[in-house]
Amino acid sequence: DIQMTQSPSSLSASVGDRVTITCRASQSISSYLNWYQQKPGKAPKLLIYAASSLQSGVPSRFSGSGSGTDFTLTISSLQPEDFATYYCQQSYSRVAFGQGTKLEIK
Amino acid sequence: EVQLVESGGGVVQPGGSLRLSCAASGFTFDDYAMHWVRQAPGKGLEWVSLISGDGGSTYYADSVKGRFTISRDNSKNSLYLQMNSLRTEDTALYYCAKGQVTTDWDFDYWGQGTLVTVSS
Repeated sequence: DIQMTQSPSSLSASVGDRVTITCRASQSISSYLNWYQQKPGKAPKLLIYAASSLQSGVPSRFSGSGSGTDFTLTISSLQPEDFATYYCQQSYSRVAFGQGTKLEIK
Repeated sequence: EVQLVESGGGVVQPGGSLRLSCAASGFTFDDYAMHWVRQAPGKGLEWVSLISGDGGSTYYADSVKGRFTISRDNSKNSLYLQMNSLRTEDTALYYCAKGQVTTDWDFDYWGQGTLVTVSS
């Protein structure tokens, strides 16, 4: 089974900061990598699919990159509504999620 | 507008059974694979099961294989999860999620979830 590891597990940042979250797969998954945002008490929301494609309606400050085993989610300028937990997910071989990265206000 | 509304959660004793439902609207239901994904309290996301658009193919996580059965009724735009032999570790919020047009294994819309608590 493919394992997904996110880093960091938690992160404190300020409004306006540039933030990067990393996701590493235990084997190559090509570009079969998605990113989700989850706010407390809410369902996850798809942000990025196929490693770098922005889901419709998602602000352009969100971007994704990477292929193979190493991927990043970047938020170019944090907004108050971006404080949430972020999950990566591989769809190369069934499904596996990363453990999540909690983004908190500094 | 795509809507997914789960129901059927509740409190059940270990070894018991429960059937979850998900009512879908706003898209051509039988064109898309559908999933169940769960989240234990305070924990991360765990994929549970997938069913293809025509219902002919199903897949399960090892943790639920042999105990849970996914099904769908395309005439009713509904997805189901029959859960048997429930364990305390099955306690979670269960989401139904829609597969993407490009791949069955991504999730572009999620319901709000239904809570299953397995406790004596």
